[in-house]
Amino acid sequence: GDSVTQMEGPVTLSEEAFLTINCTYTATGYPSLFWYVQYPGEGLQLLLKATKADDKGSNKGFEATYRKETTSFHLEKGSVQVSDSAVYFCALSDRGTNAGKSTFGDGTTLTVKP
Amino acid sequence: DTEVTQTPKHLVMGMTNKKSLKCEQHMGHRAMYWYKQKAKKPPELMFVYSYEKLSINESVPSRFSPECPNSSLLNLHLHALQPEDSALYLCASSQTGQGSMGYTFGSGTRLTVV
Repeated sequence: GDSVTQMEGPVTLSEEAFLTINCTYTATGYPSLFWYVQYPGEGLQLLLKATKADDKGSNKGFEATYRKETTSFHLEKGSVQVSDSAVYFCALSDRGTNAGKSTFGDGTTLTVKP
Repeated sequence: DTEVTQTPKHLVMGMTNKKSLKCEQHMGHRAMYWYKQKAKKPPELMFVYSYEKLSINESVPSRFSPECPNSSLLNLHLHALQPEDSALYLCASSQTGQGSMGYTFGSGTRLTVV
């Protein structure tokens, strides 16, 4: 079945540091890939997405590239801010037999210190 | 309107109570979802409605009963819950039941069963 494996956390960085959160996936069909962010006490927000191989999703300075050859969708940001502190979930949505069921990674907690 | 609105934000209920969670979206999305999220875990899918019909039930106990009165509204009726059902309940919507463009999540209902 489908699965998503995320880099284990928590991750603690200083402000303006470079961020990478690794995500790899296994899917039987042709998945779309997503990063969601969850701030404390809130629901998940779609941060960025990519629907096919080699697509790059970007939003708010975050980027991720859909790499089919390595089945990866790593999240990067060049300079993090304290306000980026949150839990980040990598997810996939398979248009094959599991359509309608998104698969989420376990989440990575990011803390950015001033 | 690009939001999913959930009410109430917080709910405390006894094990013999009956209560309902409500979710509303006006984005014209044709699929709506209920997720359950425990602390420090990813969301777990409970139900999917696609074009107002229940398309996925992830073997959820019958004490949880979903209802989709129209394409904009989604309810979750709760009866005889257990303390282990305490969690954040998230509603989400997507353009279609494929979910290939990602979900819009509400901010959730924090449920405590006493």
